[in-house]
Amino acid sequence: GDSVTQTEGLVTLTEGLPVMLNCTYQSTYSPFLFWYVQHLNEAPKLLLKSFTDNKRPEHQGFHATLHKSSSSFHLQKSSAQLSDSALYYCALRRPSGGSNAKLTFGKGTKLSVKS
Amino acid sequence: EAAVTQSPRNKVAVTGGKVTLSCNQTNNHNNMYWYRQDTGHGLRLIHYSYGAGSTEKGDIPDGYKASRPSQENFSLILELATPSQTSVYFCASSDWGYNQDTQYFGPGTRLLVL
Repeated sequence: GDSVTQTEGLVTLTEGLPVMLNCTYQSTYSPFLFWYVQHLNEAPKLLLKSFTDNKRPEHQGFHATLHKSSSSFHLQKSSAQLSDSALYYCALRRPSGGSNAKLTFGKGTKLSVKS
Repeated sequence: EAAVTQSPRNKVAVTGGKVTLSCNQTNNHNNMYWYRQDTGHGLRLIHYSYGAGSTEKGDIPDGYKASRPSQENFSLILELATPSQTSVYFCASSDWGYNQDTQYFGPGTRLLVL
């Protein structure tokens, strides 16, 4: 079946330093990839999505490039802010609709940005 | 922004009791989902639905049932609650077509089974 592997556990950074959260996946299909973000005591919400190899969607300073050759979709930001502290989930979906509309999530990476 | 609401927001239940978690969305989305969130496991799909009257098993359906009586409502039912079902439960909805990949989550329900 499909699976998503993320940087495990907690990543602690100092404000202003670059952010990189790893995400790799396994799927027999050519899936779409997503990043969801969940701030403390809030619901998860979509941050980025990518359907196309080597395209780089951006949102709120974050970007991620889907590399099908390496099955990766790492999340990056050039300079961390305190407000980036949150739980980040990488997820995939098979490309067609119907029963393939469900997402497979990784276990999440908690990002803590300190001053 | 799509709106998804859940009730109750917090629930304490006894082992062996029946628990019903409710989810409502007013966006006319076809797809609805129930997840549980646990530290170290992330978000895991319990049941989902493609429309009124349909339910499908997700990745961890054991011990849970689901009901989709209408487009707007999707319930998760624990017939015989156990302490291992203590968790935070999220409902989500999404549309068909290009935007079906954007799932909109409710605020979550914290369930404690004693």
